[in-house]
Amino acid sequence: NAGVMQNPRHLVRRRGQEARLRCSPMKGHSHVYWYRQLPEEGLKFMVYLQKENIIDESGMPKERFSAEFPKEGPSILRIQQVVRGDSAAYFCASSPRISWKDTKSSGANVLTFGAGSRLTVL
Amino acid sequence: QKEVEQNSGPLSVPEGAIASLNCTYSDRGSQSFFWYRQYSGKSPELIMSIYSNGDKEDGRFTAQLNKASQYVSLLIRDSQPSDSATYLCAGGTGGFKTIFGAGTRLFVKA
Repeated sequence: NAGVMQNPRHLVRRRGQEARLRCSPMKGHSHVYWYRQLPEEGLKFMVYLQKENIIDESGMPKERFSAEFPKEGPSILRIQQVVRGDSAAYFCASSPRISWKDTKSSGANVLTFGAGSRLTVL
Repeated sequence: QKEVEQNSGPLSVPEGAIASLNCTYSDRGSQSFFWYRQYSGKSPELIMSIYSNGDKEDGRFTAQLNKASQYVSLLIRDSQPSDSATYLCAGGTGGFKTIFGAGTRLFVKA
């Protein structure tokens, strides 16, 4: 009964390199969310995906950041040409699919979080 | 910008006391609210969800929602040192997106 799996747990990159963070949702979950957390701050929404679809990427920086959730394999958050300000914990969460009629009462899915990937940019 | 606001604390209470955590939100369209607990260096875990006005109790935890005032709270009764953590308030906006507050740090003194 594996939960949300994220890897790597820790990643060190030099400025200008690329960082790839992976997330496999819980079994039976079809929705994936990425959040960024800076030290002593809350979780900032980045992107919400379903298989092969980006549903909401309103929290993603316009440049250097991209996300995908292919038909096969984990969701990937990709950061190109990393800068020191990208150093943060990146959390992935997943939720089960709910019907549209249920959204009227629930509004949003309950999220199950992975352990996070901590990116350090030197 | 739709926001969830929390007092960052720290909130310090003695063991056995009631800890009261508060949160306000700006999006009147939000219909679901959550409290997550996050220990230092760990990932958030769900404590409570609440969708209707009023109180919802689960063990030592009670969530309260007042949609007219756009206010959510969490009460922790008989606080224990193990409750020391950051508590994140979150609101569900349209389209499944969940917005988190910055969190309130709680310290329970033994």
